[in-house]
Amino acid sequence: DAKTTQPNSMESNEEEPVHLPCNHSTISGTDYIHWYRQLPSQGPEYVIHGLTSNVNNRMASLAIAEDRKSSTLILHRATLRDAAVYYCILSDYNTDKLIFGTGTRLQVFP
Amino acid sequence: SAVISQKPSRDICQRGTSLTIQCQVDSQVTMMFWYRQQPGQSLTLIATANQGSEATYESGFVIDKFPISRPNLTFSTLTVSNMSPEDSSIYLCSGQGAVGETQYFGPGTRLLVL
Repeated sequence: DAKTTQPNSMESNEEEPVHLPCNHSTISGTDYIHWYRQLPSQGPEYVIHGLTSNVNNRMASLAIAEDRKSSTLILHRATLRDAAVYYCILSDYNTDKLIFGTGTRLQVFP
Repeated sequence: SAVISQKPSRDICQRGTSLTIQCQVDSQVTMMFWYRQQPGQSLTLIATANQGSEATYESGFVIDKFPISRPNLTFSTLTVSNMSPEDSSIYLCSGQGAVGETQYFGPGTRLLVL
């Protein structure tokens, strides 16, 4: 299973944009890039996913490098409710298994 | 989207006993998965629960320790057998409507083994 590398932690101030990086240099052609987040004492929550093109939804944007070896999750205006552990995950289209890495703990300050 | 509930939400058990965790989805899903999250750590996939057949286990997990049932498209159980303190973790299930779709997670079952 392909691996991802993320910073252990990041900090942001409320209402500022946040860019969460992820490296996945061993990504294969059939791997989708998923982002999930886990708020304290809850199960993981889907954020966004993509294959090759940049993606936008109501929660966030996903910017994927042209060589697909890295990606960035963008929260356009961080709120206190965005404080969570963010996981960047590669999922093979054939198996749909999510193999979680260590994730990035995002702290948001008022 | 799918809403997933788990029972029990938490339990304290004695070593050597077994606990069965239930996972209920509010709609039919093709795929169901079971994960373990040890204290302060990330999630580790235990197995894929297959409807009508034996579960598919990840490396390091075996059926005798973690038997799984999936009698239909909305329900699954995970049993943690012959528990030891090392089994103290949060156990989470997830469901996925179809291949390539989003996985939705339950709130988890917090297990403490004494």
